[in-house]
Amino acid sequence: DQQVKQNSPSLSVQEGRISILNCDYTNSMFDYFLWYKKYPAEGPTFLISISSIKDKNEDGRFTVFLNKSAKHLSLHIVPSQPGDSAVYFCAASEGYGGSQGNLIFGKGTKLSVKP
Amino acid sequence: DAGVIQSPRHEVTEMGQEVTLRCKPISGHNSLFWYRQTMMRGLELLIYFNNNVPIDDSGMPEDRFSAKMPNASFSTLKIQPSEPRDSAVYFCASRGGRSSYNSPLHFGNGTRLTVT
Repeated sequence: DQQVKQNSPSLSVQEGRISILNCDYTNSMFDYFLWYKKYPAEGPTFLISISSIKDKNEDGRFTVFLNKSAKHLSLHIVPSQPGDSAVYFCAASEGYGGSQGNLIFGKGTKLSVKP
Repeated sequence: DAGVIQSPRHEVTEMGQEVTLRCKPISGHNSLFWYRQTMMRGLELLIYFNNNVPIDDSGMPEDRFSAKMPNASFSTLKIQPSEPRDSAVYFCASRGGRSSYNSPLHFGNGTRLTVT
């Protein structure tokens, strides 16, 4: 049973427009959420995170939104650039003193930003 | 900072052979994780260590898999004997810092294992 779900395997967006990547989770004990970006033949790299005490965190073009009641988070990229084309993974953990912060990953969404 | 270093980058072996994957975490990081990525199951946690001690190995598929961390700067993941279904990309990641529980993981570039 997947605890972190990314239901869209792929997303295609025009350069300059907004990219919205979605993620749902089932474990109500998760209190720390992260997004990772992965290019081919490389490991995932950390992008942005949010703790459960917040509902929004912003870093430049990237914003993560958390809706705890819906157990849903999303990553917004504005404006999208061709270099953003990659696979994006959502991850969650029971952070503070829980299970030592093991990250549970979704299966990823492949974003393609077209020039 | 060289990042997490994994070797080899690619490994092709025959069924039944022993395979050893290696990882050097970022200096100063006190947690190390082994993940496996497959098309079907995505990124799965196999095992992780805190301060060189295995904490949770519930993700290790079966007794053919074993992992060690003899010191803070080196870990191995061994598969013996290997089987074709073990073919995957294996990632090592490390984490550290004062509030390490909520620090992001830093991943290596992975080892792509092919068992024929």
